[in-house]
Amino acid sequence: DVKVTQSSRYLVKRTGEKVFLECVQDMDHENMFWYRQDPGLGLRLIYFSYDVKMKEKGDIPEGYSVSREKKERFSLILESASTNQTSMYLCASSLGRGPQHFGDGTRLSIL
Amino acid sequence: DQQVKQNSPSLSVQEGRISILNCDYTNSMFDYFLWYKKYPAEGPTFLISISSIKDKNEDGRFTVFLNKSAKHLSLHIVPSQPGDSAVYFCAASGRGGGSNYKLTFGKGTLLTVNP
Repeated sequence: DVKVTQSSRYLVKRTGEKVFLECVQDMDHENMFWYRQDPGLGLRLIYFSYDVKMKEKGDIPEGYSVSREKKERFSLILESASTNQTSMYLCASSLGRGPQHFGDGTRLSIL
Repeated sequence: DQQVKQNSPSLSVQEGRISILNCDYTNSMFDYFLWYKKYPAEGPTFLISISSIKDKNEDGRFTVFLNKSAKHLSLHIVPSQPGDSAVYFCAASGRGGGSNYKLTFGKGTLLTVNP
């Protein structure tokens, strides 16, 4: 079974802090994704990566950056956290056009 | 511009009956469609997918139907069980590699199966 592990289930940070969300997958998938889920808005893609050191913007990249130095790890960075970035963050990975497999999410609160 | 639409925010059915969840899309480049189930405080779980070369795919109690001319797909759950109560997301992706591996999700439908 594919295992996608997100480093924290719950995180509380302050406005202006730099925040790192980490995601690791164990199935050698080349594609990795970061989404945020908000009530009534579904899942919205922030960034994705289809190879090491490669990244592409998704639908809502503003205020975020990503890092993929190793194939198994994809990090989401909030450069200067703001209250409107309070959300559930979901990481996923996939092999080619196969289904994306998701982690359990990080519920991030920015105070 | 919502390219994948789930027009019913919620659906309630009785245990043992059929649940039908609907999804419409607007982008004619979409050729691969998926359904995910999500429980609260968990990540989405992949349920079933269908390629545009097919019009039906079955996996146990779950069947997905695709009507390309109407740009419509549906997920049928028969028989419905209380454990099926969750939010269901429809998702789609387009042809080619690279950025076409990304999925576009609908906003989800909350299914409640009553005992």
